[in-house]
Amino acid sequence: QKEVEQDPGPLSVPEGAIVSLNCTYSNSAFQYFMWYRQYSRKGPELLMYTYSSGNKEDGRFTAQVDKSSKYISLFIRDSQPSDSATYLCAMRTFSGSARQLTFGSGTQLTVLP
Amino acid sequence: NAGVTQTPKFRILKIGQSMTLQCTQDMNHNYMYWYRQDPGMGLKLIYYSVGAGITDKGEVPNGYNVSRSTTEDFPLRLELAAPSQTSVYFCASSPPDRGEAFFGQGTRLTVV
Repeated sequence: QKEVEQDPGPLSVPEGAIVSLNCTYSNSAFQYFMWYRQYSRKGPELLMYTYSSGNKEDGRFTAQVDKSSKYISLFIRDSQPSDSATYLCAMRTFSGSARQLTFGSGTQLTVLP
Repeated sequence: NAGVTQTPKFRILKIGQSMTLQCTQDMNHNYMYWYRQDPGMGLKLIYYSVGAGITDKGEVPNGYNVSRSTTEDFPLRLELAAPSQTSVYFCASSPPDRGEAFFGQGTRLTVV
């Protein structure tokens, strides 16, 4: 079993739709949770970052963490064609061990105009 | 605001050749990483470093070497290139007291 599981998609939605992207994890030591956006042929770009259970909002993006269920989500409201990218979840232990920065395999999202 | 800079952006190597992928960061981050990304496979950690002079193996270190003589630079060396090393390589850095990592734009390597 992988430490971090992410549905690879692909996911295709119409412009304006609400998008839900999800990851599950098995290591209860994970404390930092991140979402990265990666455009084709580009490096991953940090989108959202949180280290606690609950919701964190930034514009059209909301990151949700449920540590009891070992489940994190990213919601995109009013999705735009420019949101078309691969979204990677990532998580890390609180101990700061550099090795324990673990990524999901990514979900490819296409927002159709 | 350079962040993490990788060179070269593209490279074609012949089997058995060697090369060094360069990575430099200007954020004074202690932690640096090298990942490879294969299609549909996510990011796999090759090597990481927690500071100058300290390096350690990640998930897929075979065929690679690293060094960290300064805080800023973290080069990745391929000694005998093999077709299995065809991939996109990403360097990243992070501060020690926070979780997020910042990535370079990648080096696309093809071994023929």
